Amino acid sequence: DTGVSQNPRHKITKRGQNVTFRCDPISEHNRLYWYRQTLGQGPEFLTYFQNEAQLEKSRLLSDRFSAERPKGSFSTLEIQRTEQGDSAMYLCASGSRPSGELFFGEGSRLTVL
Amino acid sequence: AQTVTQSQPEMSVQEAETVTLSCTYDTSESDYYLFWYKQPPSRQMILVIRQEAYKQQNATENRFSVNFQKAAKSFSLKISDSQLGDAAMYFCAYRSPSNFGNEKLTFGTGTRLTIIP
Repeated sequence: DTGVSQNPRHKITKRGQNVTFRCDPISEHNRLYWYRQTLGQGPEFLTYFQNEAQLEKSRLLSDRFSAERPKGSFSTLEIQRTEQGDSAMYLCASGSRPSGELFFGEGSRLTVL
Repeated sequence: AQTVTQSQPEMSVQEAETVTLSCTYDTSESDYYLFWYKQPPSRQMILVIRQEAYKQQNATENRFSVNFQKAAKSFSLKISDSQLGDAAMYFCAYRSPSNFGNEKLTFGTGTRLTIIP
């Protein structure tokens, strides 16, 4: 399968723990996005990478959140000191060209107890 | 900031019938893109159809078509000959022209479509 891959698919953690999600985009795609989707809502933009450069971060992305994309390939999203409000589906999407289609992964669901 | 509103949280339709999902948006830009995405349960979001704002002609993809009313800022999705596989959450989304290459999407809250056999 050559689609966008996200791991883990589900993560249950206790409040205060750190979690990390990984996204493997489609191999030739240089654009990578992270979105967050809470129950009953549409996805909300978190951050954008073009190759390895993080070019935009949403104000939703607090200091506890950090995203990286070393070498412009896979990306990681780390949440430190998780809070119950962080419980959500974290979606990754990638694209290859301006105005081109974005391809989404199946998401990583986080539950913070 | 742009906003996207989907006023129908849930819709249902008989198999083989036609259903229309509504979407309105607010923007001060003249050049933008609009999308409908489908999110089946526990599956990834996939693009159903897209519309460029500068095009007057409504986009069509097989059984899916849109009614794009730019002045009214309305972008509805019509699904003809509904099939069981159409059951999903449908999201309307807006995309601004590129900013540093960032073509982030602004999504509505979604409409859950149920197909009745």
